[in-house]
Amino acid sequence: NAGVTQTPKFQVLKTGQSMTLQCAQDMNHNSMYWYRQDPGMGLRLIYYSASEGTTDKGEVPNGYNVSRLNKREFSLRLESAAPSQTSVYFCASSVPGQGKYFGPGTRLTVL
Amino acid sequence: AQSVAQPEDQVNVAEGNPLTVKCTYSVSGNPYLFWYVQYPNRGLQFLLKYITGDNLVKGSYGFEAEFNKSQTSFHLKKPSALVSDSALYFCAVSAASGNTPLVFGKGTRLSVIA
Repeated sequence: NAGVTQTPKFQVLKTGQSMTLQCAQDMNHNSMYWYRQDPGMGLRLIYYSASEGTTDKGEVPNGYNVSRLNKREFSLRLESAAPSQTSVYFCASSVPGQGKYFGPGTRLTVL
Repeated sequence: AQSVAQPEDQVNVAEGNPLTVKCTYSVSGNPYLFWYVQYPNRGLQFLLKYITGDNLVKGSYGFEAEFNKSQTSFHLKKPSALVSDSALYFCAVSAASGNTPLVFGKGTRLSVIA
């Protein structure tokens, strides 16, 4: 039981490049989330998926897209990376009303 | 929309002393409240939650939190701090009704000094 896994752990992009952050969970959770963490800002929700086949915008969705590929996997895509997207990205999963399980994070730098 | 305030960016406490990390929240209806801890270069770890029932909630590593509905607070406490408790602590809230996402505070850095 690996919990929530994320790949890659680190990534450096140039402005305008695209990439996809991968997330998978093996706990059979319906809900999955993508957050970004910036110093002094706490965690801000980018997108979430309450169940397979559904996705919704969070607080800071601009510049991102998501895909809930199946119940296990929830990917985050940056189509044209910008320096403002330099951050640490966390994927999480949960069942309603319960604590979230977080992945180890992806540290992204956009030059 | 729900929100969380953690009024202190940094809390310093001597080892062996009690610690409190403050959190207040705003939500429509009844809240689900959570505390998470983050160690350097790690993801967030769940500490404890309040869903319903007793206002005093006990969690991992000897931490506890008290839900106060009239003051809309959910302060994190520990009777005797350890150096290993030094970390970043996040309070979070979601509305009990519906499957609303969790909203996090900005975090409080706890430093326990030997």
